[in-house]
Amino acid sequence: SQTIHQWPATLVQPVGSPLSLECTVEGTSNPNLYWYRQAAGRGLQLLFYSVGIGQISSEVPQNLSASRPQDRQFILSSKKLLLSDSGFYLCAWGQGSKNIQYFGAGTRLSVL
Amino acid sequence: KNQVEQSPQSLIILEGKNCTLQCNYTVSPFSNLRWYKQDTGRGPVSLTIMTFSENTKSNGRYTATLDADTKQSSLHITASQLSDSASYICVVRTPSGNTPLVFGKGTRLSVIA
Repeated sequence: SQTIHQWPATLVQPVGSPLSLECTVEGTSNPNLYWYRQAAGRGLQLLFYSVGIGQISSEVPQNLSASRPQDRQFILSSKKLLLSDSGFYLCAWGQGSKNIQYFGAGTRLSVL
Repeated sequence: KNQVEQSPQSLIILEGKNCTLQCNYTVSPFSNLRWYKQDTGRGPVSLTIMTFSENTKSNGRYTATLDADTKQSSLHITASQLSDSASYICVVRTPSGNTPLVFGKGTRLSVIA
C-alpha cells in the first residue's frame, strides 16, 4: 500500500533562517506531488506541484521554492524565512484519472 | 472566478445527532467533487469523491450528495460520534491538468457529549 511521510511535524524557526521540509512517498511510482499551505482559518493554498523528477510548477510567487531530486521525494525550501511563512504545510500525492490526492500529516511551521 | 463556498463555518452538535454540511461551487468546467475530513493538526483524509453523473455516495455514516445543475453538494453525517469532530473540506476539480483543485475553507464540526 502507498504511504506518504512528511517531517518534521512541528518547526519553530527565526526570521531570516533557512527552511527545508521533506516529503517522501512509498508504494507507488511517478506520482504527482504537491505542496500546500493552510493558514489559520483559511482554506488550502497550492504552492507547488510536480509531475516528474526535476519538474516543478509554482502556483503563487513567494519566498519558497520546491525541488524533486528523486521520483518519490519532494522538498520545500526557503533561503530566508519571513514571518508570513508561518502556517501548516501539507504534502500530497496523486495519481490516476481522478487524481485523488492523499495528504501527509503536515508540518506546523512557526516563524518568530 | 472558480470558488467553493461552504456553510456553516462552524457547527456544534450533540453526540448521536445527525447533521448536514453544505458546499456551493462556481467551478467550471467540472470534473469531480470530493469531501475531505481533517482532524486538528493532521492532513486531510478523503471521504468521498463524486463525478458529474453521481448524485449520492456513502462511506459508512457519511453520505454525500451532488446536484451538478445547481452546483451544490452536501455531506450528511448520521448518528454523530465524538470522533467526527474535525474540519470537513469540500474540493472541486476542473479537468485542466494536474493542478486544478479548488478548495473550500471548510466547516468546523464539534460533536459534544
